Amino acid sequence: AQTVTQSQPEMSVQEAETVTLSCTYDTSESDYYLFWYKQPPSRQMILVIRQEAYKQQNATENRFSVNFQKAAKSFSLKISDSQLGDAAMYFCAYIAIQGAQKLVFGQGTRLTINP
Amino acid sequence: ETGVTQSPTHLIKTRGQQVTLRCSSQSGHNTVSWYQQALGQGPQFIFQYYREEENGRGNFPPRFSGLQFPNYSSELNVNALELDDSALYLCASNREGWSTEAFFGQGTRLTVV
Repeated sequence: AQTVTQSQPEMSVQEAETVTLSCTYDTSESDYYLFWYKQPPSRQMILVIRQEAYKQQNATENRFSVNFQKAAKSFSLKISDSQLGDAAMYFCAYIAIQGAQKLVFGQGTRLTINP
Repeated sequence: ETGVTQSPTHLIKTRGQQVTLRCSSQSGHNTVSWYQQALGQGPQFIFQYYREEENGRGNFPPRFSGLQFPNYSSELNVNALELDDSALYLCASNREGWSTEAFFGQGTRLTVV
């Protein structure tokens, strides 16, 4: 069974600084996608960034980038120039290309931005 | 494009009752998935519907059931409610295949007393 683990229940960072959120996963599949979702107090899950496992190049979306280490099954999220609006729960998620089309989520990391 | 909308946003039910939650998928999306998110936890997959057929199910008992309609909207039904069913229920829709982005609704907060 696939599992996703986020070992940091809470993180905090000063506004304008950089923070890295950690995620590891376990799977026997070779083709899959990895995601980082943001869940603000409004509760709606918002996609932050996506990585296809077959791509060696790390995904980047503006201030958000990932460090994808396939052999180590690690997928961390780096947020640069942190802003107050980045404060939220962040979830790492996995989906296999084959089989049941279900997202497997980690437990989440609560990110606080200090002004 | 309209987003994913869920109704109601909050409701309170008594243990043993039945509840129906609704989800309108984003325009052009034919796949709907439901997730249960207990307080302080990550979402757990309940099931998925694709073109009105169940297309995968998570580790939830049969009292959790669903439907998808020809317009691709969906319902989640829970019978014989238990206190542990108290959670945020999230609906997500996407076009065929996970190469496209899934969009989530704002969820329904269910409290069972």
